[in-house]
Amino acid sequence: DTAVSQTPKYLVTQMGNDKSIKCEQNLGHDTMYWYKQDSKKFLKIMFSYNNKELIINETVPNRFSPKSPDKAHLNLHINSLELGDSAVYFCASSPVGYEQYFGPGTRLTVT
Amino acid sequence: GENVEQHPSTLSVQEGDSAVIKCTYSDSASNYFPWYKQELGKRPQLIIDIRSNVGEKKDQRIAVTLNKTAKHFSLHITETQPEDSAVYFCAASEPGNTGKLIFGQGTTLQVKP
Repeated sequence: DTAVSQTPKYLVTQMGNDKSIKCEQNLGHDTMYWYKQDSKKFLKIMFSYNNKELIINETVPNRFSPKSPDKAHLNLHINSLELGDSAVYFCASSPVGYEQYFGPGTRLTVT
Repeated sequence: GENVEQHPSTLSVQEGDSAVIKCTYSDSASNYFPWYKQELGKRPQLIIDIRSNVGEKKDQRIAVTLNKTAKHFSLHITETQPEDSAVYFCAASEPGNTGKLIFGQGTTLQVKP
């Protein structure tokens, strides 16, 4: 009965590779988010979708591309991975303007 | 856009003492202020939140106060316990209907037994 789930939990890959992270929520929320948490623990929003429509698109490299096939799923694809992309990526969901529920996170390590 | 400053960055207290973490925000139109607790290696989890039409909210040992005039809000934890040790984040909603939250830099709270 996991509310927000992400796969994979850990991802180790080499520079230049392309990888995807998947997120699913079973809470019936309309809005989903991707956050990046760097080594200093700072949480920064990257993207948000509301009912499959992109509503927040922060200043992130265009190597990062979110996709929402339906309102319960939000995936993140990263092309040409760089060392600086190493971080923990959290997916979250919420009704707009209310509590955001976070997924368990995906620790991405680029070597 | 909205900017959130959080202090202190680290806080160490003895078990049973109180802990206070403060945040300031820049956009007076922000109307939702949640606090999240993140244990090591875990996801952030909401512990308490407050809206701009309320000045204070309590939930057992945790309370949040909001001063809209000064644009700051604080988290108060009383009778701290070792399991309160974690990183705490404040956040403020960016005005608009996107649900976007701007997070503070985080406070690492250590409760010494």
